[in-house]
Amino acid sequence: DAGVTQSPTHLIKTRGQQVTLRCSPKSGHDTVSWYQQALGQGPQFIFQYYEEEERQRGNFPDRFSGHQFPNYSSELNVNALLLGDSALYLCASSLGGQGANNSPLHFGNGTRLTVT
Amino acid sequence: EDQVTQSPEALRLQEGESSSLNCSYTVSGLRGLFWYRQDPGKGPEFLFTLYSAGEEKEKERLKATLTKKESFLHITAPKPEDSATYLCAAKLIFGTGTRLQVFP
Repeated sequence: DAGVTQSPTHLIKTRGQQVTLRCSPKSGHDTVSWYQQALGQGPQFIFQYYEEEERQRGNFPDRFSGHQFPNYSSELNVNALLLGDSALYLCASSLGGQGANNSPLHFGNGTRLTVT
Repeated sequence: EDQVTQSPEALRLQEGESSSLNCSYTVSGLRGLFWYRQDPGKGPEFLFTLYSAGEEKEKERLKATLTKKESFLHITAPKPEDSATYLCAAKLIFGTGTRLQVFP
C-alpha cells in the first residue's frame, strides 16, 4: 500500500525564482493538504484541495498556489521566492468530504527547499 | 482565532522516567484532536484521534487523554526509541511540538 510520496526530496533555488513541488496521495485518499515547516517549528497550514478545488487556505500570500489533478495528485507552486520561504514542505492526504477535518492526516517525508 | 499551544518545548527524560506532554487548544467546533510523532527528516506520523472530553487512547507506552480545553500525552517508562517530536493538531492547525529526548 503506497503511502504519500513527494518529489523532489531536496531543491535549491535562487531568490525571485519559481518552484513546483509534487505530491501523490495515499491510495484511496482524495484530499491533499500542504504545510510549510520551518526548522524547530510545527507545520503551518498552507491550503487544502478536494475535488480539484482549494477548499481551505491558511495565512499565506497569493505567491503560494496549488492544483489538484483528477487522479488526486497535487502540486504546490511558489512564485517570486524569498529567503524566508526556505523550509520543509509537507504534503498530507486524507479522506475528504464533510468529514475532512475529522480524518487523520497521512504525511509524506517532505521536500526540503533552500532559497539562496 | 483557532489556536493550539504545546508545552514544554523540550523534555529530557531518563529511560523509565514517566512524564506528560500538554496540548492546550482554543478551537471553535472541535471535531477531533490529533497527536502525531515526527522523527528528524521525516513527515509526522499519526498516533491518536480523540473526539470528546473524557476519551482516552493507548498505544504501547503512550496514552492520550482529552478535556474540554487540553489534551495530555502521557509517556510511561519511556525508552530511547520514544525520542521524537510530538505534535498535536486540531482543525488542520498544529502546535509547535514537544521535542522529547530519552536517555539510557
